[in-house]
Amino acid sequence: GENVEQHPSTLSVQEGDSAVIKCTYSDSASNYFPWYKQELGKGPQLIIDIRSNVGEKKDQRIAVTLNKTAKHFSLHITETQPEDSAVYFCAAGRRALTFGSGTRLQVQP
Amino acid sequence: ETGVTQTPRHLVMGMTNKKSLKCEQHLGHNAMYWYKQSAKKPLELMFVYSLEERVENNSVPSRFSPECPNSSHLFLHLHTLQPEDSALYLCASSQGDSGANVLTFGAGSRLTVL
Repeated sequence: GENVEQHPSTLSVQEGDSAVIKCTYSDSASNYFPWYKQELGKGPQLIIDIRSNVGEKKDQRIAVTLNKTAKHFSLHITETQPEDSAVYFCAAGRRALTFGSGTRLQVQP
Repeated sequence: ETGVTQTPRHLVMGMTNKKSLKCEQHLGHNAMYWYKQSAKKPLELMFVYSLEERVENNSVPSRFSPECPNSSHLFLHLHTLQPEDSALYLCASSQGDSGANVLTFGAGSRLTVL
């Protein structure tokens, strides 16, 4: 089955800096790669996703890149703000999603 | 609220108790899921229901018993649980049961087994 590795497990940045979270996956058949943000006391919420026919997607301060050959994808957050502090999860799959173990992002004001 | 409501938000139970978790979605989706979230571990898929039929059961112990009476409601019946079952149980829904569909999660039910 699919195996998703996510790094780093924790990330601390200064407000205004960029943050990058990376994931690798094992199943070359996976074609859908979403990113979820989980704030304290809430369930994960989708923030951006990308499908295998696209190499990059951007939504305001958030972007995701996908390298299907190397089987890795990354989340990029620019101009970070304190409200970006949360746990971020990547996932990969074709039918059922397999999630990474999460990255706790702390944005220092 | 995200459109997926879970109750109770917190539950403490002994190993011999029987309790149930409830999930309701108001989004008109046709697939519902149970996930287990433990500290420092990836989200684990437990069950998938599509059009009220179970389509996936990820080798979950029989002490967890799901029920999906209609496309808007999903239950997880719990009995004779173990302390290691303590976790956040997340319900999600999607339009379609393919992994290529966006999952909408509820806020979760925090379960503590004593």
